[in-house]
Amino acid sequence: AQTVTQSQPEMSVQEAETVTLSCTYDTSESDYYLFWYKQPPSRQMILVIRQEAYKQQNATENRFSVNFQKAAKSFSLKISDSQLGDAAMYFCACTTGYALNFGKGTSLLVTP
Amino acid sequence: DAGVTQSPTHLIKTRGQHVTLRCSPISGHKSVSWYQQVLGQGPQFIFQYYEKEERGRGNFPDRFSARQFPNYSSELNVNALLLGDSALYLCASSLPTSYEQYFGPGTRLTVT
Repeated sequence: AQTVTQSQPEMSVQEAETVTLSCTYDTSESDYYLFWYKQPPSRQMILVIRQEAYKQQNATENRFSVNFQKAAKSFSLKISDSQLGDAAMYFCACTTGYALNFGKGTSLLVTP
Repeated sequence: DAGVTQSPTHLIKTRGQHVTLRCSPISGHKSVSWYQQVLGQGPQFIFQYYEKEERGRGNFPDRFSARQFPNYSSELNVNALLLGDSALYLCASSLPTSYEQYFGPGTRLTVT
């Protein structure tokens, strides 16, 4: 089983600025996948970005990028040029097979 | 293409009753997973079904059951409802060869 920890219950960022959300995980498996999901007030979980553990290169999707530190079991999400629409709960998740294991989430507030 | 759909959107039940929640996956996706999200927490894995077979089960009592139909849609059944079953129930679908899961909008269940 994996455990996922998000130590920041809330974060705030100004529009156009950059923010980093933290996530650490623990797994005994060598083959696993990591994800960041966004859940706006509409409550639909949206896949933001994924990282395969076997890949050294950090994943990037437009304004979203990750800092994957495998030895430290750290998987942070960086949001550049923050927009009002980025305001949401962000969940980090880990899987080695079929079940996604989620952290408790970080609430991101974006101020004008 | 349509995303994952779930019905109903909201549901209010009384303790001891039974409930059935429904999910239709993205076209071409053959795996369906169910998650329970209690307010303020990350989603918790309940089941995954693939080709009508249960592939995995989370730490939930036997009151929770599910099934998958030939068209890959799925039902989640919960018997003898408890107040603690009040939550957002999320369905996710995925391709058989992928770890990425795509979520529906969820069903909000309130048990009174």
